[in-house]
Amino acid sequence: AQSVAQPEDQVNVAEGNPLTVKCTYSVSGNPYLFWYVQYPNRGLQFLLKYITGDNLVKGSYGFEAEFNKSQTSFHLKKPSALVSDSALYFCAVRAIQTGANNLFFGTGTRLTVIP
Amino acid sequence: ETGVTQTPRHLVMGMTNKKSLKCEQHLGHNAMYWYKQSAKKPLELMFVYNFKEQTENNSVPSRFSPECPNSSHLFLHLHTLQPEDSALYLCASSQGQPSSYEQYFGPGTRLTVT
Repeated sequence: AQSVAQPEDQVNVAEGNPLTVKCTYSVSGNPYLFWYVQYPNRGLQFLLKYITGDNLVKGSYGFEAEFNKSQTSFHLKKPSALVSDSALYFCAVRAIQTGANNLFFGTGTRLTVIP
Repeated sequence: ETGVTQTPRHLVMGMTNKKSLKCEQHLGHNAMYWYKQSAKKPLELMFVYNFKEQTENNSVPSRFSPECPNSSHLFLHLHTLQPEDSALYLCASSQGQPSSYEQYFGPGTRLTVT
């Protein structure tokens, strides 16, 4: 079975500080991993993805994520948080081997950046 | 965000009504999706269309009926819904399948069933 866990419902960080939003996954085989962000009253926006290659992936708005196969994690990071980063963040995984096109999403982590 | 549009943005309907949600993508993508987003629950994939052919139906009740007349348009026809169907319904599109491609989402339709 495939699944994604986002262990924190809420993350608070001061503006200018580094931020981390955690994600762990469970798949049979190699994963495709994605991060999306959702602002109020908006759809999800793609941030970055890991398919293969370098474990450190850089994405939009200064975000990056590190794929760690041994820990089955794909944490989202940013060196210096902005107030405008406050939003709902979703991690998603798809198993490469499956014939289905399901992306399994986590329940989301609400990030609040405090001025 | 104008790449995928959804109408209406808000919909209130009674349990005996029939309504339709519309999605249009302007990205030249071949695959389109319907998702249901409920509070405190993971996004639920409902339907997938690839080149206008339905490739997935994730055990969605028959009161939800999708239609994909072409690669740019996707509809979700609703009838005899239940209050628990109240949610944000998101449409997405991607370049193709299998999906190493990221999906682009519309702003959603907030549905309330009374």
